[in-house]
Amino acid sequence: QKEVEQDPGPLSVPEGAIVSLNCTYSNSAFQYFMWYRQYSRKGPELLMYTYSSGNKEDGRFTAQVDKSSKYISLFIRDSQPSDSATYLCAMSVSGSARQLTFGSGTQLTVLP
Amino acid sequence: GAGVSQSPSNKVTEKGKDVELRCDPISGHTALYWYRQSLGQGLEFLIYFQGNSAPDKSGLPSDRFSAERTGGSVSTLTIQRTQQEDSAVYLCASSSQTGGNTIYFGEGSWLTVV
Repeated sequence: QKEVEQDPGPLSVPEGAIVSLNCTYSNSAFQYFMWYRQYSRKGPELLMYTYSSGNKEDGRFTAQVDKSSKYISLFIRDSQPSDSATYLCAMSVSGSARQLTFGSGTQLTVLP
Repeated sequence: GAGVSQSPSNKVTEKGKDVELRCDPISGHTALYWYRQSLGQGLEFLIYFQGNSAPDKSGLPSDRFSAERTGGSVSTLTIQRTQQEDSAVYLCASSSQTGGNTIYFGEGSWLTVV
């Protein structure tokens, strides 16, 4: 079993839909949780960063962490075609970038 | 530079040949990371540099893989006697300090071994 599980999709939604992307994990010591967005043939870019449990909102994006269930989510409101990308979750125990564990990514397409 | 720069962006090589992949991190970033991304897989950590030293080489998959960093800046990842299973995207990232989670990725070197 992988330490971090992520549904690879592909996920296809109409423009304006609310998108929910999820990851589950097995290591209860994870404290830092991130979402990266990766456009085709580009490197990943950090989208959201949260520490411990709770919600964090940034514009149309909301990240949720439920440590009791070992489950994290990324919600995208009013999705746009420009949101079409692969979304990778990542997490770490110590907060050190060299100890990040990544999910395999979910491919999202937002149809105009 | 403005961002992390990697070269070559694409490389097709024959099985058994050696390849060198280069990474030029963001100016002033002391930490540098190499990851590998295979189709349908997450990012696999390979090696991390702090300055010119590599305190963590735990992710290098075999002794065919090596990396060095000179002048606290440019890094080279070398794969000797390439195998087909080495085909992947090799991503380099850098950060201003090892204690932070904010790392900045390059666009990757797409390696195909035929």
